[in-house]
Amino acid sequence: SQKIEQNSEALNIQEGKTATLTCNYTNYSPAYLQWYRQDPGRGPVFLLLIRENEKEKRKERLKVTFDTTLKQSLFHITASQPADSATYLCAPYNAGNMLTFGGGTRLMVKP
Amino acid sequence: DGGITQSPKYLFRKEGQNVTLSCEQNLNHDAMYWYRQDPGQGLRLIYYSQIVNDFQKGDIAEGYSVSREKKESFPLTVTSAQKNPTAFYLCASRARTGLNQPQHFGDGTRLSIL
Repeated sequence: SQKIEQNSEALNIQEGKTATLTCNYTNYSPAYLQWYRQDPGRGPVFLLLIRENEKEKRKERLKVTFDTTLKQSLFHITASQPADSATYLCAPYNAGNMLTFGGGTRLMVKP
Repeated sequence: DGGITQSPKYLFRKEGQNVTLSCEQNLNHDAMYWYRQDPGQGLRLIYYSQIVNDFQKGDIAEGYSVSREKKESFPLTVTSAQKNPTAFYLCASRARTGLNQPQHFGDGTRLSIL
């Protein structure tokens, strides 16, 4: 069956460091993958999209990579700030024009 | 400002009662979605609609019903047949032009059992 794995344990890092979050998927061949940010009690907010033919995508302090051989996407936040603390969800696009969301990884950036 | 409005923010259901969650969007999006989120789990798709007067079941549709009579509205009814309705419910919409369009979410309704 199709599966999306994100580290369910919170990632704690110091302010200014680079945060790296992992999204692994199995039994998928996604044409693209999206990343969302979710704050407590709020709906997810779209951050970045990366297509299968793109190795890397950047937006300000954010960087996403997509390795279709490893079936993995990495999400990086450089120069992290306490305001970056949130849960980050990955969402591969599967057949039938549907997104499927991972369980998310909670990031805590300490001052 | 365009966006998605979900109401109410908190809702309590008694045993045997049906409750309806509201979702309204002014983004002129064709597609709308309902998800359920449980602690530590990903969003699970309940129902979706690609166009007015048409909708399809998602992965966990049992115990839920929807309607799509207007483009901007996609209400979700949690029926008494849903035995474990306590969860955070999220509504989303998406423009159909371009398969890689992101989903826009409301701020959710938290449903609890009395």
